[in-house]
Amino acid sequence: EAGVTQFPSHSVIEKGQTVTLRCDPISGHDNLYWYRRVMGKEIKFLLHFVKESKQDESGMPNNRFLAERTGGTYSTLKVQPAELEDSGVYFCASSLGGQDYGYTFGSGTRLTVV
Amino acid sequence: GQNIDQPTEMTATEGAIVQINCTYQTSGFNGLFWYQQHAGEAPTFLSYNVLDGLEEKGRFSSFLSRSKGYSYLLLKELQMKDSASYLCAVRDRSGTGFQKLVFGTGTRLLVSP
Repeated sequence: EAGVTQFPSHSVIEKGQTVTLRCDPISGHDNLYWYRRVMGKEIKFLLHFVKESKQDESGMPNNRFLAERTGGTYSTLKVQPAELEDSGVYFCASSLGGQDYGYTFGSGTRLTVV
Repeated sequence: GQNIDQPTEMTATEGAIVQINCTYQTSGFNGLFWYQQHAGEAPTFLSYNVLDGLEEKGRFSSFLSRSKGYSYLLLKELQMKDSASYLCAVRDRSGTGFQKLVFGTGTRLLVSP
Protein backbone atom coordinates (compact mmCIF):
# COMPACT_ATOMS: atom_id res chain seq x y z
CA GLU A 1 0.00 0.00 0.00
CA ALA A 2 1.14 3.57 -0.57
CA GLY A 3 2.49 5.31 2.49
CA VAL A 4 1.83 8.79 3.81
CA THR A 5 2.88 11.35 1.23
CA GLN A 6 3.88 14.90 2.00
CA PHE A 7 4.47 17.73 -0.43
CA PRO A 8 6.68 19.63 -0.86
CA SER A 9 9.69 17.90 0.67
CA HIS A 10 11.46 21.23 1.09
CA SER A 11 10.28 24.82 1.08
CA VAL A 12 12.27 28.02 1.53
CA ILE A 13 10.21 31.17 1.90
CA GLU A 14 10.73 34.70 3.11
CA LYS A 15 9.35 35.99 6.36
CA GLY A 16 5.84 37.29 5.82
CA GLN A 17 5.04 34.96 2.93
CA THR A 18 2.46 32.19 2.93
CA VAL A 19 3.20 28.49 2.59
CA THR A 20 0.83 25.55 2.28
CA LEU A 21 1.93 22.04 3.15
CA ARG A 22 0.00 19.02 1.97
CA CYS A 23 -0.39 15.54 3.41
CA ASP A 24 -1.99 12.54 1.74
CA PRO A 25 -2.66 9.84 4.36
CA ILE A 26 -2.94 6.12 3.76
CA SER A 27 -6.26 5.39 2.10
CA GLY A 28 -8.88 4.44 4.69
CA HIS A 29 -7.07 6.00 7.62
CA ASP A 30 -9.59 8.25 9.33
CA ASN A 31 -7.04 9.70 11.76
CA LEU A 32 -4.55 12.27 10.52
CA TYR A 33 -2.01 14.07 12.68
CA TRP A 34 0.35 16.97 12.13
CA TYR A 35 3.57 17.20 14.11
CA ARG A 36 6.52 19.58 13.95
CA ARG A 37 10.18 19.32 14.84
CA VAL A 38 12.05 22.54 15.43
CA MET A 39 15.83 22.21 15.21
CA GLY A 40 17.32 20.65 18.31
CA LYS A 41 13.96 19.96 19.89
CA GLU A 42 11.61 17.01 20.06
CA ILE A 43 8.81 16.27 17.61
CA LYS A 44 5.73 18.06 18.93
CA PHE A 45 2.05 17.48 18.30
CA LEU A 46 0.14 20.15 16.41
CA LEU A 47 -3.32 18.75 15.71
CA HIS A 48 -5.45 15.69 15.06
CA PHE A 49 -8.22 15.13 12.53
CA VAL A 50 -10.78 12.35 12.56
CA LYS A 51 -12.10 12.33 9.03
CA GLU A 52 -12.76 16.00 8.30
CA SER A 53 -13.26 17.07 11.94
CA LYS A 54 -10.58 18.62 14.12
CA GLN A 55 -10.50 16.49 17.26
CA ASP A 56 -7.64 18.23 18.99
CA GLU A 57 -5.81 21.36 17.91
CA SER A 58 -4.23 22.10 21.29
CA GLY A 59 -0.73 22.01 19.81
CA MET A 60 -1.21 24.69 17.17
CA PRO A 61 1.22 27.49 18.03
CA ASN A 62 -0.99 30.45 17.09
CA ASN A 63 -3.62 31.65 14.64
CA ARG A 64 -1.10 31.99 11.82
CA PHE A 65 -1.48 28.24 11.37
CA LEU A 66 -4.59 26.87 9.65
CA ALA A 67 -5.19 23.20 8.99
CA GLU A 68 -7.94 21.75 6.85
CA ARG A 69 -9.06 18.32 5.76
CA THR A 70 -11.93 18.85 3.38
CA GLY A 71 -13.68 15.63 2.47
CA GLY A 72 -11.72 13.69 5.03
CA THR A 73 -8.96 12.72 2.62
CA TYR A 74 -5.84 14.85 2.23
CA SER A 75 -4.98 17.66 4.60
CA THR A 76 -3.30 21.02 4.20
CA LEU A 77 -1.45 23.11 6.75
CA LYS A 78 -1.14 26.76 5.87
CA VAL A 79 1.20 29.19 7.60
CA GLN A 80 0.32 32.83 6.99
CA PRO A 81 2.30 34.98 7.46
CA ALA A 82 5.37 32.85 8.10
CA GLU A 83 7.84 33.89 10.82
CA LEU A 84 11.45 32.81 11.34
CA GLU A 85 10.51 30.61 14.30
CA ASP A 86 8.21 28.55 12.07
CA SER A 87 11.24 26.89 10.47
CA GLY A 88 11.41 23.17 11.10
CA VAL A 89 10.29 19.82 9.75
CA TYR A 90 6.54 19.27 9.58
CA PHE A 91 5.47 15.63 9.77
CA CYS A 92 2.12 14.14 8.98
CA ALA A 93 0.99 10.76 10.29
CA SER A 94 -2.13 8.69 9.81
CA SER A 95 -3.72 5.74 11.59
CA LEU A 96 -6.88 3.66 11.60
CA GLY A 97 -7.70 4.76 15.15
CA GLY A 98 -8.67 3.27 18.48
CA GLN A 99 -5.99 1.21 20.15
CA ASP A 100 -4.44 0.60 16.75
CA TYR A 101 -0.76 1.31 16.99
CA GLY A 102 -0.18 1.62 13.31
CA TYR A 103 0.84 5.26 13.13
CA THR A 104 2.51 5.76 9.75
CA PHE A 105 4.56 8.90 9.26
CA GLY A 106 5.39 10.78 6.12
CA SER A 107 8.93 11.89 5.34
CA GLY A 108 8.12 15.44 6.35
CA THR A 109 8.33 18.89 4.81
CA ARG A 110 11.43 20.85 5.74
CA LEU A 111 10.34 24.49 5.99
CA THR A 112 12.94 27.24 6.12
CA VAL A 113 11.80 30.81 6.70
CA VAL A 114 14.47 33.40 5.89
CA GLY B 1 3.09 17.86 32.66
CA GLN B 2 4.69 15.55 30.14
CA ASN B 3 8.37 14.77 30.05
CA ILE B 4 10.32 12.14 28.14
CA ASP B 5 14.07 11.70 28.55
CA GLN B 6 16.50 9.66 26.49
CA PRO B 7 20.23 9.99 25.87
CA THR B 8 21.24 12.33 23.08
CA GLU B 9 23.86 10.14 21.50
CA MET B 10 25.29 6.63 21.76
CA THR B 11 28.01 4.77 19.92
CA ALA B 12 28.51 1.06 19.47
CA THR B 13 30.40 -1.34 17.24
CA GLU B 14 29.07 -3.67 14.58
CA GLY B 15 27.87 -6.97 16.01
CA ALA B 16 27.47 -5.61 19.53
CA ILE B 17 24.34 -5.08 21.64
CA VAL B 18 23.10 -1.64 22.63
CA GLN B 19 20.37 -0.58 25.05
CA ILE B 20 18.68 2.79 24.66
CA ASN B 21 16.81 3.93 27.75
CA CYS B 22 13.77 6.14 27.98
CA THR B 23 12.10 7.55 31.08
CA TYR B 24 8.77 9.30 30.98
CA GLN B 25 6.31 11.23 33.11
CA THR B 26 2.76 11.54 31.91
CA SER B 27 -0.65 11.39 33.57
CA GLY B 28 -2.53 9.75 30.72
CA PHE B 29 -0.25 6.90 29.65
CA ASN B 30 -1.70 4.67 26.96
CA GLY B 31 1.25 2.93 25.38
CA LEU B 32 4.88 3.53 24.47
CA PHE B 33 6.37 3.43 20.99
CA TRP B 34 9.86 3.24 19.58
CA TYR B 35 10.55 4.63 16.13
CA GLN B 36 13.66 4.56 13.99
CA GLN B 37 14.45 7.57 11.85
CA HIS B 38 17.21 7.87 9.27
CA ALA B 39 18.19 11.41 8.31
CA GLY B 40 15.68 13.00 5.96
CA GLU B 41 13.30 10.07 6.15
CA ALA B 42 10.05 9.25 7.90
CA PRO B 43 10.09 7.83 11.42
CA THR B 44 9.35 4.11 11.04
CA PHE B 45 7.62 2.00 13.66
CA LEU B 46 9.79 -0.44 15.61
CA SER B 47 7.84 -1.53 18.66
CA TYR B 48 4.87 -0.90 20.93
CA ASN B 49 4.43 -1.69 24.63
CA VAL B 50 1.30 -1.05 26.64
CA LEU B 51 1.72 -3.73 29.34
CA ASP B 52 4.77 -4.35 31.50
CA GLY B 53 7.35 -6.70 30.12
CA LEU B 54 9.47 -7.47 27.13
CA GLU B 55 8.35 -7.47 23.50
CA GLU B 56 10.75 -9.17 21.10
CA LYS B 57 10.81 -8.72 17.36
CA GLY B 58 13.83 -10.16 15.63
CA ARG B 59 16.99 -8.23 16.52
CA PHE B 60 14.93 -5.59 18.34
CA SER B 61 13.32 -5.89 21.79
CA SER B 62 11.54 -3.32 23.90
CA PHE B 63 10.82 -3.38 27.61
CA LEU B 64 8.32 -1.41 29.66
CA SER B 65 7.84 -0.80 33.39
CA ARG B 66 4.83 1.42 33.93
CA SER B 67 5.39 1.74 37.68
CA LYS B 68 8.88 3.11 37.04
CA GLY B 69 8.00 5.16 33.98
CA TYR B 70 10.80 3.40 32.14
CA SER B 71 11.38 1.69 28.84
CA TYR B 72 14.36 0.49 26.88
CA LEU B 73 15.02 -0.55 23.32
CA LEU B 74 17.54 -3.34 22.88
CA LEU B 75 19.27 -3.79 19.56
CA LYS B 76 21.27 -6.99 19.04
CA GLU B 77 23.81 -7.97 16.40
CA LEU B 78 24.22 -4.36 15.38
CA GLN B 79 24.63 -3.59 11.70
CA MET B 80 25.93 -0.44 10.06
CA LYS B 81 22.44 0.30 8.75
CA ASP B 82 21.23 0.59 12.36
CA SER B 83 22.96 3.98 12.56
CA ALA B 84 19.95 6.28 12.95
CA SER B 85 17.96 8.25 15.49
CA TYR B 86 15.72 6.26 17.82
CA LEU B 87 12.64 8.04 19.09
CA CYS B 88 10.78 7.13 22.25
CA ALA B 89 7.15 8.29 22.18
CA VAL B 90 4.35 7.94 24.70
CA ARG B 91 0.70 7.89 23.68
CA ASP B 92 -0.89 10.30 26.08
CA ARG B 93 -4.53 11.14 26.63
CA SER B 94 -4.22 13.69 29.40
CA GLY B 95 -5.18 17.30 28.91
CA THR B 96 -7.77 17.37 26.14
CA GLY B 97 -8.58 13.69 26.59
CA PHE B 98 -7.66 12.87 23.03
CA GLN B 99 -4.75 10.63 22.32
CA LYS B 100 -1.55 11.98 20.85
CA LEU B 101 2.07 10.95 20.75
CA VAL B 102 4.52 12.80 22.97
CA PHE B 103 8.11 12.36 21.78
CA GLY B 104 11.51 12.46 23.38
CA THR B 105 14.28 14.30 21.56
CA GLY B 106 15.64 11.06 20.15
CA THR B 107 18.88 9.16 20.58
CA ARG B 108 21.35 9.27 17.72
CA LEU B 109 23.07 5.90 17.44
CA LEU B 110 26.31 5.61 15.55
CA VAL B 111 27.46 2.10 14.68
CA SER B 112 31.12 1.81 13.74
CA PRO B 113 32.93 -1.09 12.02
